[in-house]
Amino acid sequence: GQNIDQPTEMTATEGAIVQINCTYQTSGFNGLFWYQQHAGEAPTFLSYNVLDGLEEKGRFSSFLSRSKGYSYLLLKELQMKDSASYLCAVRGGNDYKLSFGAGTTVTVRA
Amino acid sequence: GAGVSQSPSNKVTEKGKDVELRCDPISGHTALYWYRQSLGQGLEFLIYFQGNSAPDKSGLPSDRFSAERTGGSVSTLTIQRTQQEDSAVYLCASSLQSSGGYEQYFGPGTRLTVT
Repeated sequence: GQNIDQPTEMTATEGAIVQINCTYQTSGFNGLFWYQQHAGEAPTFLSYNVLDGLEEKGRFSSFLSRSKGYSYLLLKELQMKDSASYLCAVRGGNDYKLSFGAGTTVTVRA
Repeated sequence: GAGVSQSPSNKVTEKGKDVELRCDPISGHTALYWYRQSLGQGLEFLIYFQGNSAPDKSGLPSDRFSAERTGGSVSTLTIQRTQQEDSAVYLCASSLQSSGGYEQYFGPGTRLTVT
């Protein structure tokens, strides 16, 4: 089976940086996705990693280490609108199915 | 262009009744997925369609759950004889392809409450 672990909650101050870690144990690996989900809304795509290293996209960056089964999502210059749940999802060996972690709720305080 | 749409947005039903949930994917997306999200839980995979066929039904929780997709477009998830544990948000997603870095686009979900 697939096992995706991420912290349940994190709190940070507006303007600060927060790093959300995700560890995974899956049958095969074909990419890791990060999604953002505001309360009561659909998840929206943030980033995709399939090779080791850092992918930067504006204020958001995502890192992957396949040998360690580890990824993190880095949110810089936090804004109040970044308060949301962040979902780590891994595509395993079957190349189509995503297995999701339970999500990390980030609360940004003024 | 239009995103993924789902209907109804909310459904309250009595235990034992059947319900149908509808998903309209983004035009041209061949891959379609159904997930279930319970409070405080991650997204639980239910079923995957490639075109009209469902190569993976492994996530359907019981034989009360079924899904179909017609014309490579609209999909319907049917839950028969609903139980209280079926209460959840049912999310549909579609993607251009099922492999590679093609992201899944999610619909707004159907919140199902079984009383």
